[in-house]
Amino acid sequence: DTEVTQTPKHLVMGMTNKKSLKCEQHMGHRAMYWYKQKAKKPPELMFVYSYEKLSINESVPSRFSPECPNSSLLNLHLHALQPEDSALYLCASSPRWDSNQPQHFGDGTRLSIL
Amino acid sequence: EDQVTQSPEALRLQEGESSSLNCSYTVSGLRGLFWYRQDPGKGPEFLFTLYSAGEEKEKERLKATLTKKESFLHITAPKPEDSATYLCAVWGPEGGKLIFGQGTELSVKP
Repeated sequence: DTEVTQTPKHLVMGMTNKKSLKCEQHMGHRAMYWYKQKAKKPPELMFVYSYEKLSINESVPSRFSPECPNSSLLNLHLHALQPEDSALYLCASSPRWDSNQPQHFGDGTRLSIL
Repeated sequence: EDQVTQSPEALRLQEGESSSLNCSYTVSGLRGLFWYRQDPGKGPEFLFTLYSAGEEKEKERLKATLTKKESFLHITAPKPEDSATYLCAVWGPEGGKLIFGQGTELSVKP
C-alpha cells in the first residue's frame, strides 16, 4: 500500500463542472507535488509546494488551482477543463523540495473530461 | 541541457531470461538517481536511490548500478510479475524538479 493517498481514484466530469482532487500523506514530508501523466509518457510536473507555500508553477493553465491547507494535505481544484486535460493526475511527497531524497507517489486519480 | 535517456523503449523477455535496462543522464552535479516501477493505472513505486558512481543496490531479482554517465537496472531470472514500466529519474539543478526518462516497458512471458 502506498503512503500517499489520493481520492477519488476515478473522476468523470463535464467541461463546465467544478471538482477537486485530494492528496494526503502522513510521512512528515514538507514538499508535495502535482503531476500530470499521459499514456506511455513519464509524469509531467505541474506544481511544487514547500512548507505549504507554492514554490513552482510550471506555467499550468489557471483552470487548475492548487491548494495546500496543511503539511499533510494537497488539493487540486478543477474548473472548465478541456478534453485534452484527461490524464492520470499524480500526487507525490518528499522530505524537502531541495533535498536529495526520493519522491513517493500516490496511485493517482484517473480523470476523464467529456 | 539536463536530460535522461532510457533504452530500450520496450523489452520482451522469457521467464528466467536475465537482461539489463539502461539509463544515461547528463546533469550538472548529480544529487541522486532514482528507479521507479510503474504498473498500468498505478503511480510510480520507488525502488532505488543511487548517489555516487560505483554504488549498487539490490532488491530481490533487481540490482541497480551507477557510473558517472549511466545507470543500469539488472533483472536476474525475471518472472511475469516483473512486467511493468521502469522509470529512471534524476534531480535537476533546480530544487523540486525531477527529470524523468521516457521509461522502459518490460514484458516477461511465462
